[in-house]
Amino acid sequence: NAGVTQTPKFQVLKTGQSMTLQCAQDMNHNSMYWYRQDPGMGLRLIYYSASEGTTDKGEVPNGYNVSRLNKREFSLRLESAAPSQTSVYFCASSESPSVPYGYTFGSGTRLTVV
Amino acid sequence: QKEVEQNSGPLSVPEGAIASLNCTYSDRGSQSFFWYRQYSGKSPELIMSIYSNGDKEDGRFTAQLNKASQYVSLLIRDSQPSDSATYLCAVRRGQNFVFGPGTRLSVLP
Repeated sequence: NAGVTQTPKFQVLKTGQSMTLQCAQDMNHNSMYWYRQDPGMGLRLIYYSASEGTTDKGEVPNGYNVSRLNKREFSLRLESAAPSQTSVYFCASSESPSVPYGYTFGSGTRLTVV
Repeated sequence: QKEVEQNSGPLSVPEGAIASLNCTYSDRGSQSFFWYRQYSGKSPELIMSIYSNGDKEDGRFTAQLNKASQYVSLLIRDSQPSDSATYLCAVRRGQNFVFGPGTRLSVLP
């Protein structure tokens, strides 16, 4: 089925560990995004990639890095996990940042940092 | 003031009633507005988009936009228990969207 695929779905990390969240889309979308969702805070943008080869910071980029590996794949890396990074992470894609289409979201990664 | 504000709810309505969900935004230059539905433990899914002042209808859903008042709303007619979810308002800002915190809707059988 076409869409946005995120892996893993669940992860528990110890403080200081690193990990990479993977995201791939098969809709030939140009733009990809990483959001985190916390209770009462809504979705907050971490990083985005308007097109292949470009990445930009969003609202809450500290503690994260990203890589737009190719048009399909956009990964999010936590270099040294902290309890404050416990959250649900959503990857999303859209056809273009200049066209007012909505996002297609992946199923999410539930991350707990202990 | 947050960029996008919504009442967190829960908003409870009886089955068959009209549910009215509201959203206000602070950037007067915003042009594109979206409503997403998110079931518990699931990812958001796009329901409606609206760009012009007035109403836009899609089945049981009606989005209403008033740019002068910086207000966008979603009406759900003939509410069903399956409509019970959190509804997120999103406003386009540049190349991205800013999301409200969401309103939790509960439709009671």
